[in-house]
Amino acid sequence: GNSVTQMEGPVTLSEEAFLTINCTYTATGYPSLFWYVQYPGEGLQLLLKATKADDKGSNKGFEATYRKETTSFHLEKGSVQVSDSAVYFCALSDRIQAGTALIFGKGTTLSVSS
Amino acid sequence: DAGVTQSPTHLIKTRGQQVTLRCSPISGHKSVSWYQQVLGQGPQFIFQYYEKEERGRGNFPDRFSARQFPNYSSELNVNALLLGDSALYLCASSLLAQGWYEQYFGPGTRLTVT
Repeated sequence: GNSVTQMEGPVTLSEEAFLTINCTYTATGYPSLFWYVQYPGEGLQLLLKATKADDKGSNKGFEATYRKETTSFHLEKGSVQVSDSAVYFCALSDRIQAGTALIFGKGTTLSVSS
Repeated sequence: DAGVTQSPTHLIKTRGQQVTLRCSPISGHKSVSWYQQVLGQGPQFIFQYYEKEERGRGNFPDRFSARQFPNYSSELNVNALLLGDSALYLCASSLLAQGWYEQYFGPGTRLTVT
């Protein structure tokens, strides 16, 4: 079945460092791809999305490009801040019966220190 | 506009009991999905409802059931609770049920089974 694999964490960075969180997927067809962020004690917030190959999603300085040839959707940010500390989830949309389910990776914890 | 709301925020139940969790979607959204997030893992899909009909069901036992009301709000019921049902239960709403529509998550209900 469809699945998402994220790099293991935790990722520990200093403020203003460059961030990459790797995400690869296995899917039949052409799913939409998403990055969600979860701050401590909260639900998930949609960070960005891409719906077709070569689409680039971007938001709040974060970017990810839908790469069909490498089945990847890596998250990047040029300069992280302490406030970016959170758990990041990569997800794909999966057709299931008559609807759609999001399939999530296990999450990558990012810790940014000043 | 209000986001997705869930109630209660927390609850503690005993093994064998039954629980009902509630969700109100974003105004105008017709699809509601439920996810279970066990500590340290990504969310797992339980159900999707659209226009009061079940559109998809994940790999969960029949102890889990749900319904959607005419105002698009939803309830998730879990019978005969097990210790392993302890988790954060997340509700997500989207405009329609197709995969490219973003799903917006509520803050979750933290269920503890003792």
